Amino acid sequence: GESVGLHLPTLSVQEGDNSIINCAYSNSASDYFIWYKQESGKGPQFIIDIRSNMDKRQGQRVTVLLNKTVKHLSLQIAATQPGDSAVYFCAENLYIIQGAQKLVFGQGTRLTINP
Amino acid sequence: NAGVTQTPKFQVLKTGQSMTLQCAQDMNHEYMSWYRQDPGMGLRLIHYSVGAGITDQGEVPNGYNVSRSTTEDFPLRLLSAAPSQTSVYFCASSGQFGEQFFGPGTRLTVL
Repeated sequence: GESVGLHLPTLSVQEGDNSIINCAYSNSASDYFIWYKQESGKGPQFIIDIRSNMDKRQGQRVTVLLNKTVKHLSLQIAATQPGDSAVYFCAENLYIIQGAQKLVFGQGTRLTINP
Repeated sequence: NAGVTQTPKFQVLKTGQSMTLQCAQDMNHEYMSWYRQDPGMGLRLIHYSVGAGITDQGEVPNGYNVSRSTTEDFPLRLLSAAPSQTSVYFCASSGQFGEQFFGPGTRLTVL
């Protein structure tokens, strides 16, 4: 079955440093992954996505790397800021039927920024 | 453009009571879904809909009913609440193959 898991439940970094959040998946046929940020009391917010035909994708201050050989992806946040404090989830996006999408979430990593 | 809205934000029920969690979106999205989030866990899919009049079960559907009479609304009904349904509930919507937008959530406690 589907399974997506994060390596660490918590991560603390100094403000200004780079953050790396890791995620592993089990299904070698998986082809679409999304990273979400969830702030306290809010719903998940889309950060960046990547499809299996890519190894790397960059956004504003964020980069996602996909290693299909070891079924691993990571989210890198450059120059971490206090506003980056949140829980980060990787999710596998599965297409069911007629465009319906099922998101299979990992358990999340809580990122804490130290001043 | 409000995006995805959910009401209420908080609710406390007694075991056996029924209630409906409301979800609405103003983006004309065909696809809508309900997830629950338990402490320390990611979200799990309860039910989803690919358009008005069409619904189907996700991975944890037991104890919940849904209907989709309009494109905009996708209510989630608990017919007889149980303590195991204490959770935070999120509604999401997307266009076909598009990014899913989540609502702010409803925090439900069943005593």
